[in-house]
Amino acid sequence: KQEVTQIPAALSVPEGENLVLNCSFTDSAIYNLQWFRQDPGKGLTSLLLIQSSQREQTSGRLNASLDKSSGRSTLYIAASQPGDSATYLCAVPGANSKLTFGKGITLSVRP
Amino acid sequence: GAGVSQSPSNKVTEKGKDVELRCDPISGHTALYWYRQRLGQGLEFLIYFQGNSAPDKSGLPSDRFSAERTGESVSTLTIQRTQQEDSAVYLCASSLAWGLQYFGPGTRLTVT
Repeated sequence: KQEVTQIPAALSVPEGENLVLNCSFTDSAIYNLQWFRQDPGKGLTSLLLIQSSQREQTSGRLNASLDKSSGRSTLYIAASQPGDSATYLCAVPGANSKLTFGKGITLSVRP
Repeated sequence: GAGVSQSPSNKVTEKGKDVELRCDPISGHTALYWYRQRLGQGLEFLIYFQGNSAPDKSGLPSDRFSAERTGESVSTLTIQRTQQEDSAVYLCASSLAWGLQYFGPGTRLTVT
C-alpha cells in the first residue's frame, strides 16, 4: 500500500527566504507526482505535475523535482512571500489514478 | 469555463440524520473522484467514477456511504445515519480519463 509522508508538518520562515518542502513515497512504481496548494477553507489548487520520465518541472518561483528511485520529491519555493502561506500537499496516483496524499506541510511566511 | 462546483459549501447535521452532497464536474470530464479530509488527517480516496464503467468503491469507509453518478454529469455522495466521525471536508475532483484532477472547493460537513 502506497504511503506518502511530508515532514515537517509545519514551517515558518521570514519573507524572502528560499525553501524546500519534502515529500517521500514508499512505492516507486508511480507514473507522476503532483503538488497542490490548499488555502484555509478552500479546495486544492494544482501547482505542478511531474511525469515519471521528468526530473524537474518549473512554474514561476516554484520548482519541483522527482527522484523515483529514492522515493522522493521536493518543492522548491524561491524568494518566499507572505502570499505563499498555505498548506502544500503532494500526491501520487495509484490504480484508476486515485490519488494518495501526504498530510501536507503548513507554511507560514512572515512579513 | 466553470470549474468543479460542490454544494452545499457547509452542512451541519445531527447525528443519525442522512445527508447528500453534490458535485458538478467540469463539462466533458469523464472521471469523477470523491475524497474526504478529516481534521489532522490526509485526504482519503472514497470513490471513483469513469464514464459508464462500474465505480471503484474501494475507499468507502462503511456501507453508510454511497454515491451515484448519471453518465458524465452530476454526482451525489450520500451518508446515511451520520456519525460524529463523518465530520470532514468532502472534496470532489474531475478529470479527462486519467488526466490531471481538478478539485472543487469542498463541502464542510459537521455532525453534532
